[in-house]
Formats: sequence, C-alpha cells, structure tokens
Amino acid sequence: AQSVTQPDIHITVSEGASLELRCNYSYGATPYLFWYVQSPGQGLQLLLKYFSGDTLVQGIKGFEAEFKRSQSSFNLRKPSVHWSDAAEYFCAVGGSNNAGNMLTFGGGTRLMVKP
Amino acid sequence: DAGITQSPRHKVTETGTPVTLRCHQTENHRYMYWYRQDPGHGLRLIHYSYGVKDTDKGEVSDGYSVSRSKTEDFLLTLESATSSQTSVYFCAISESWTSGSYQQYFGPGTRLTVT
Repeated sequence: AQSVTQPDIHITVSEGASLELRCNYSYGATPYLFWYVQSPGQGLQLLLKYFSGDTLVQGIKGFEAEFKRSQSSFNLRKPSVHWSDAAEYFCAVGGSNNAGNMLTFGGGTRLMVKP
Repeated sequence: DAGITQSPRHKVTETGTPVTLRCHQTENHRYMYWYRQDPGHGLRLIHYSYGVKDTDKGEVSDGYSVSRSKTEDFLLTLESATSSQTSVYFCAISESWTSGSYQQYFGPGTRLTVT
C-alpha cells in the first residue's frame, strides 16, 4: 500500500528565512510525487511534480523539491520565505502502476511566517 | 485554472438526512475524484470515476455513494448523514496519466456540517 508521511504538522519561520518541508513516501513501483499548497478557505494548487528525469524539480512561486529514491523522500524547499507563503502544504504520491491515477496525500504541514 | 465547480459551497444538514454534492467540470477529463479533508488526515479518497458509469471505492467509502451519468458531472451522495461526515469535500479531475499530464486539478470545496 502507498503512504505519505509529513513529519512536521506545524512550522514557523521568519520572513526571509529558508524553508524545508519534509515528505517521506512508501510506494511499490516508480512513484509520481507532488506538492500542493492550500491557502485558507481555498482549494489545492499544484506547486510542482516529479515523475522522471532530473531529481531536482522547480515549481511555481520559487519552490523546488528534490527526489531522493534512497531515502524515499521528496522534500520541498524555498531559499527565502515571503509572508504570502503562509498556507498548508501537502505532499502526495501516485504512480505508474496505479490504474485509477489515484493519489495518496500526507497529513499536511501548516506553515506560519513571522514578520 | 481548470474548470471545476462544486455545489453547494456550504451546507448544513441534520443527522439522518440524505445529502448530494455535485462536481461539474468543463475540461472533458476522464477521471474524477471525491476527497474529504479533515485536520491531521490530509485528503482521503472517498470514491473515484474512470469514465461514465464507471466508479470505484476509495479509502473511506463507507456511508457514501457516487454516480456519473455524464462526463462532466460526478455526484457524491451521503445516504444518511452522520456527524462524522462533517468535513470539507473536494472534487478533483485528471486526464489519463498516459497523456503525460500527471496531476489532479481541484475544485474549490464544499463545507458540509451535519448537526
């Protein structure tokens, strides 16, 4: 069975500081990995995705993520956080052996940004 | 933004009553999904559809049924609502991953309260 763990439920960073959100996954085949962001009261927006190729993936809003197969991780990073980045972030996994194109989501990490 | 609407956006209902939530897409995507979002659980898949009249269960399908009579509409029915079904419900759509898209697009959500 596939699963996703986001170990940090809440993270607080100062504006301008760097950010890393952790994601560990379990999947029995080649994984497709995603990071979504959800602002309060909104739906989910895709930040970036990985399915093959370069293990360092660039996304929108200055975010990037690195796929590390040996560690089963797909951590999200941003070099300098802006106040508008305060939101909830979800990591998700799907894959090539998944007939329904289904995703499994982690529990989410809520990011707070201090001025 | 992908053309996905959900109705109603907010609903309060009483325990034991049936409730139907509607998801409508204008993208002609093959796959449609219903998730529920609860604090600490991320998003959990209720049911999904891989074509007209083709549906299957997800992780938390008990107490829910779905129907898809047209490509653009996917209905979620709570047969007899319970307080444990108070949640935010999201619809999502995706193309077949063989198309190379590899992502799901989310609607704005429906907040359901069962009293």
